Amino acid sequence: DVKVTQSSRYLVKRTGEKVFLECVQDMDHENMFWYRQDPGLGLRLIYFSYDVKMKEKGDIPEGYSVSREKKERFSLILESASTNQTSMYLCASKGHMGETQYFGPGTRLLVL
Amino acid sequence: GENVEQHPSTLSVQEGDSAVIKCTYSDSASNYFPWYKQELGKRPQLIIDIRSNVGEKKDQRIAVTLNKTAKHFSLHITETQPEDSAVYFCAASRGGGADGLTFGKGTHLIIQP
Repeated sequence: DVKVTQSSRYLVKRTGEKVFLECVQDMDHENMFWYRQDPGLGLRLIYFSYDVKMKEKGDIPEGYSVSREKKERFSLILESASTNQTSMYLCASKGHMGETQYFGPGTRLLVL
Repeated sequence: GENVEQHPSTLSVQEGDSAVIKCTYSDSASNYFPWYKQELGKRPQLIIDIRSNVGEKKDQRIAVTLNKTAKHFSLHITETQPEDSAVYFCAASRGGGADGLTFGKGTHLIIQP
């Protein structure tokens, strides 16, 4: 059974703070993704990674960076949080051969 | 890049009736089309997917159809039940490798008792 976990379910931060969101998967998947979900906008791809230390920009990378030092862990970093980054953040992983992306439970971030 | 349009944004049907959600995509190179169901407060879960070499796929009460020429695909749910109430998302990608998904904006399906 695929398990994707995220470090926090809820997070409250202040404008200008540096924020780390962590995602861990236990399926030895090569590919990992970060999406944000906003009402009426669906899910939008921020960044993804196809291997350790490799990263690619998604559709909305501005204001975000990522880190993948270990295969099972993919971190999303908000260098200087802003109120427009208040959102639900969802991590997903996918194996090299498969197509299915498996999602984590999400982190609801509020930036004040 | 890819653009996925999804309609309707809200769909209310009587229990036992059928529900149809439609999506269109723009990138002719897209060849993988999954559908996710998201219940309130939960993570999106894959319910069915289709690849471009197939025109239709069925799994019990759920079916997906794909028209590559017209670049649209649809989700069909028959004999709807209260537990079908959720938000449904369609998505598209070029498939393979690390390609991310481009999602539609979602359809809130409401099953009326």
